[in-house]
Amino acid sequence: DAGVIQSPRHEVTEMGQEVTLRCKPISGHDYLFWYRQTMMRGLELLIYFNNNVPIDDSGMPEDRFSAKMPNASFSTLKIQPSEPRDSAVYFCASSPFTGSGANVLTFGAGSRLTVL
Amino acid sequence: AQKITQTQPGMFVQEKEAVTLDCTYDTSDPSYGLFWYKQPSSGEMIFLIYQGSYDQQNATEGRYSLNFQKARKSANLVISASQLGDSAMYFCAMREGNSGYSTLTFGKGTMLLVSP
Repeated sequence: DAGVIQSPRHEVTEMGQEVTLRCKPISGHDYLFWYRQTMMRGLELLIYFNNNVPIDDSGMPEDRFSAKMPNASFSTLKIQPSEPRDSAVYFCASSPFTGSGANVLTFGAGSRLTVL
Repeated sequence: AQKITQTQPGMFVQEKEAVTLDCTYDTSDPSYGLFWYKQPSSGEMIFLIYQGSYDQQNATEGRYSLNFQKARKSANLVISASQLGDSAMYFCAMREGNSGYSTLTFGKGTMLLVSP
C-alpha cells in the first residue's frame, strides 16, 4: 500500500483565497483524521470520520473550515477564506478499527500551508 | 489540565548511547493506550511503539522500549544505541477508553539531537 497520500505538499496563497487540501487514506481503514500542527499549539485534531461520516468536528476552529469525505478513498479539508493564522502543516491520518485499542494512526506526509 | 505532558523540550545524546524521553499522562479511564511517534525534519509522523494499559509487560520494538509505570502515570520512551538518524521530534500520545473508538491526544514533543 502506498500509505496515506496528501496533496499538495506545499501551498502558498494570499489571504482571502480558498484553499483545498486533499487526502487519500489507506484502503480498508475505517477512520480518517485531519490534524493541524503549529509551533504554538502543537498537534490539534480538527475532525475525524468513521466510514465516511463525520463523527467529531469540535476541533474545527471556525466556520471558515470545512471537511468532506465523499467516499472511502478521498477526503478534503477546505479553508475559505484563508487567513495568515491558518498557516500550519495539515496532516491527514487513517486508522483501522481492530477492537483492541491499538488502532495505530498512519499519517500522510502533510500539507504545509502558508497564507500571506 | 494537559492529558499528555512532555517536560523535556530538547535532549542531547551521543551516538551509541541510550536516551530516555519522558512522558506523563493524565486519565481516570482504566482502559487507555499510549503511543510514541517520531517526526524527523522531513515532517512525516512515524509510529514507533504502543503500550496498552492492561499490558503486563513493557512494549519493545527493536531499539525502542517503553518504560511503563502505571502508578506514576508515566510512559517513557527508551532508545538504546542511539544513531544519527534518531535525531527528530518525538511525540507521546494517548487514547482513552477501549470500547468503540477515541482519538489520540498528543503531547508537545521532545526534540532529540544525536551527536557523533
